[in-house]
Amino acid sequence: SQQGEEDPQALSIQEGENATMNCSYKTSINNLQWYRQNSGRGLVHLILIRSNEREKHSGRLRVTLDTSKKSSSLLITASRAADTASYFCATPYVNDYKLSFGAGTTVTVRA
Amino acid sequence: DAGITQSPRHKVTETGTPVTLRCHQTENHRYMYWYRQDPGHGLRLIHYSYGVKDTDKGEVSDGYSVSRSKTEDFLLTLESATSSQTSVYFCAISDPGLAGDTGELFFGEGSRLTVL
Repeated sequence: SQQGEEDPQALSIQEGENATMNCSYKTSINNLQWYRQNSGRGLVHLILIRSNEREKHSGRLRVTLDTSKKSSSLLITASRAADTASYFCATPYVNDYKLSFGAGTTVTVRA
Repeated sequence: DAGITQSPRHKVTETGTPVTLRCHQTENHRYMYWYRQDPGHGLRLIHYSYGVKDTDKGEVSDGYSVSRSKTEDFLLTLESATSSQTSVYFCAISDPGLAGDTGELFFGEGSRLTVL
């Protein structure tokens, strides 16, 4: 069954604001990944964080991981119209390495 | 961009007909996957391959079969399409990480299938 679940399902913000979305998962993992999907396109990998890491940065993205709460967050700072997309967290299936994806958070950045 | 090509990109077919979707990669990645994406469900794994002729089932494999006779090609076949298989199908590839995990997945652009 699916491991991860994103929250909120949808988010609308003004350009320049920050966007935060969360991912909760069910069982122990050795890594968690975030992906972006623009409308009508395939998913693109954003960042991977391992279970022994608490925070990771990539440009305007900041990802945190709290293994005690089985949760992760993705923060996009100073959002731009081009950040309008769906964002997915991905975690390994239980006792496996293949990735399970949540239903995603749809982010709309208003100009 | 990773060299992944899916074909066809769009297909409309009738219930009961066979359908084959093709995924072709030029990256020589060992692992290949087929996911389907439906509203409210995110992506669900159908089948995957960890080498030539080595395949296994994912969480929603019923009604689907796969084949991999060459490193670069991974075929998904719907033996007798049903309306519930109307979906967007994504192929993905990866190389296993040194840490023993899947590593980063690279996705194709998707194949939109409509079964009438």
